Parts: sequence; C-alpha cells; structure tokens
Amino acid sequence: QVQLVESGGGVVQPGGSLRLSCAASGFTFSSYGMHWVRQAPGKGLEWVAFIRYDGSNKYYADSVKGRFTISRDNSKNTLYLQMNSLRAEDTAVYYCAKDITLSWGQGTLVTVSS
Amino acid sequence: DIQMTQSPSTLSASVGDRVTITCRASQSISSWLAWYQQKPGKAPKLLIYKASSLESGVPSRFSGSGSGTEFTLTISSLQPDDFATYYCQQYNSLWTFGQGTKVEIK
Repeated sequence: QVQLVESGGGVVQPGGSLRLSCAASGFTFSSYGMHWVRQAPGKGLEWVAFIRYDGSNKYYADSVKGRFTISRDNSKNTLYLQMNSLRAEDTAVYYCAKDITLSWGQGTLVTVSS
Repeated sequence: DIQMTQSPSTLSASVGDRVTITCRASQSISSWLAWYQQKPGKAPKLLIYKASSLESGVPSRFSGSGSGTEFTLTISSLQPDDFATYYCQQYNSLWTFGQGTKVEIK
C-alpha cells in the first residue's frame, strides 16, 4: 500500500527558509516521478513542482520558480522541497504526490508570518 | 500551460439529486483527467482517473465521462457524505487543477 508522509512544516518569518520532506513506502520510489502541491487556507489546489523518477528533470510553477528547489534521494525513498525567500502568500498545506497513480500524502502546514 | 475551467463554483443540491460538474481544458488532454473529493482539513481523495475509471473503493454512484477538452463528473444520487468540494485535474502535461466546486446542502 502506497504511503506518503510529509514533514518539516512550521512557522517561519518572511524571507526565511524551510525544507519539507516526504517519506515514501509501499512502492518502488525510484521508478516514479513525484510532485508537490499546495493549498492556501480556504483556497484551491495549486501544483508547485515535479521531479522525474531519476531526478534528471525538474519543473516549477511560476509562483515559486527561483525560490523553491525540488529534489529526491532514491536511496532513502525521500522527496524534498527546499523553500527559500518565503513570502506570506506561500502559507499553505503542502502535499507530496506520486505521479501516474495519483497517490497523495496527508500534508504539512507551512505558515509564513512575522 | 494547460488551463482547467471548472463549473459551477458552487452547487446547491438535496439528498437524492443527480449532480453534474463540468471541467474544460484549454487544449486536448486526451483522457488524462482525474476527479477528487475534498473535505475540510483532509487531503484530496481520488474518485476518478483517466476520465472515467472508478478508483477502488469509490461508490458506483460516482462516474466520469469525456475526452479531449470536455469532461463531466456525475453523482447519480447525492448522499449526505457527498457534500464536499470537488476538483478536476489534468495530468497530460505536468498537473493543473480546476478551481473547485463546492457541493452544498440545499
């Protein structure tokens, strides 16, 4: 059974940094591309970033390009999202999700506030 | 980038009603369309994938149809547990979501 568990969320000041992690189990992690999706309070779903199964290509939403970096460690079955220069509008629940079969984690809350 | 336009944004209905939600893609996405249900404080739950395939464990009152640029989600007889927000998602080229449809009690 696919399991995705996000961690690393919390409260951070504007301009600060945070790294999210997503621990994967129940499938061959190194064979699948992975996504990050976020949802601001009371708002809809917004795709954030995607990384191919081997890390060879990465894609970002315009809203985070140049500030966020997606990466993965296939030896640890873990996906990451490094978030720098955080803004109030980055406040959201961040979900990791598996490509193709569309499995999602339960999310981790990031709050950017002074 | 592929844009997804979902309608209506809000829908008021009663238990037992037949409900239809529409999603339109800005360009053809073949059948790479999914539908999710989301309740407050919870992660989205996959209902339909590849436009019309029912996810395991999802009640058969949910169905999806369409291909290319026009898609629909139908709930044949609305149940109390179905009052929630629904999102469409294209996964033909990266991912894009519709704006969501909140199904409310009439």
